[in-house]
Amino acid sequence: DAMVIQNPRYQVTQFGKPVTLSCSQTLNHNVMYWYQQKSSQAPKLLFHYYDKDFNNEADTPDNFQSRRPNTSFCFLDIRSPGLGDAAMYLCATSVHRGPNTEAFFGQGTRLTVV
Amino acid sequence: GEDVEQSLFLSVREGDSSVINCTYTDSSSTYLYWYKQEPGAGLQLLTYIFSNMDMKQDQRLTVLLNKKDKHLSLRIADTQTGDSAIYFCANPSGGSYIPTFGRGTSLIVHP
Repeated sequence: DAMVIQNPRYQVTQFGKPVTLSCSQTLNHNVMYWYQQKSSQAPKLLFHYYDKDFNNEADTPDNFQSRRPNTSFCFLDIRSPGLGDAAMYLCATSVHRGPNTEAFFGQGTRLTVV
Repeated sequence: GEDVEQSLFLSVREGDSSVINCTYTDSSSTYLYWYKQEPGAGLQLLTYIFSNMDMKQDQRLTVLLNKKDKHLSLRIADTQTGDSAIYFCANPSGGSYIPTFGRGTSLIVHP
């Protein structure tokens, strides 16, 4: 059974129209991450939650926001998507942050901006 | 340059060994990881190595770590078509324990 579930798998949105991607987990992990992966590039961390504590990466654009209403769910909000935001968005979880911590990934949501 | 660097492609014949290489800049990590991404799927942890080890073997997988050169490699023995995927080196950097990934190496296995 899938442990980190991302919906939808494919999302098409219009330029400038707000869009929300969702992630849920059945692992009861404390940490949830959002990565952006563009074609042939490394997954780039946007932000993560440690429990309710939000940690934004310094170079994450203000256009990207996140919400974690409870342990199981985490959302990625893109307020005004641009063409450059088209990418695969990966959600991941880990039980904690530590030196030997496995991250569990969802299948990703591929976002297309038209 | 990038914090974690990998070559983008590797093509091998079925049954041969594959060696995927990675170099990194931050040597403070306690563990280094290899993740595998199959088509249409998320990343999945394949193996890892503790930073005070030089080698770790796990069935067909051998991980070699050269701390002096900041070089990590993954060797897959008897490579099968099912091993075709993208392999990511990950180095939790800056003491945050959050994986920093390379661009991934696409392994193509042909008969």
